[in-house]
Amino acid sequence: GAVVSQHPSRVICKSGTSVKIECRSLDFQATTMFWYRQFPKQSLMLMATSNEGSKATYEQGVEKDKFLINHASLTLSTLTVTSAHPEDSSFYICSARAPLWPYEQYFGPGTRLTVT
Amino acid sequence: SQQGEEDPQALSIQEGENATMNCSYKTSINNLQWYRQNSGRGLVHLILIRSNEREKHSGRLRVTLDTSKKSSSLLITASRAADTASYFCATAGGSSNTGKLIFGQGTTLQVKP
Repeated sequence: GAVVSQHPSRVICKSGTSVKIECRSLDFQATTMFWYRQFPKQSLMLMATSNEGSKATYEQGVEKDKFLINHASLTLSTLTVTSAHPEDSSFYICSARAPLWPYEQYFGPGTRLTVT
Repeated sequence: SQQGEEDPQALSIQEGENATMNCSYKTSINNLQWYRQNSGRGLVHLILIRSNEREKHSGRLRVTLDTSKKSSSLLITASRAADTASYFCATAGGSSNTGKLIFGQGTTLQVKP
């Protein structure tokens, strides 16, 4: 099956700094990628839809200036958590949508962000 | 916002037994998918069932879909210790084709050897 990678897998940063997470589709082109957030023992919450060449679409309640998304190519989307705070600590997962029906989503392995 | 509810929230069974998890959702869908997540890892796609399908099989997995009740079930037969994981249903669609998936709350399955 298709492979999606995320980098880094784990990151620890200090409060007030910014962190960039990369999501790559390794063997297919993805015009659409999605970013999710998952708190411990909870489900995935969709944060935003990342569209190649256009602005991301954010879900209600997600701060677009806080979580910057850039989908600069058909295989790469980045999520930047700006001015991170401890409450931003979470597991961030991306997915890439297959280009053909049924448009299956392939998920990355996730990035564990800890803000101290 | 989360659309689906899953029950049970947690399930503990012995190896060899069957495990059934249920998922309910609120709006119309194009398809419903089931995923598995091992602790601290990404999601693994298990099976997709379209809105016009009622049942689907894949190996030891059996998924049913009842669109009139807006519910789905995942049955894992002859469970193994390696099946221990969290299982999520996710719905896609409705009239739009944004590809967005809305996840249920998940069922944590423990299979005891």
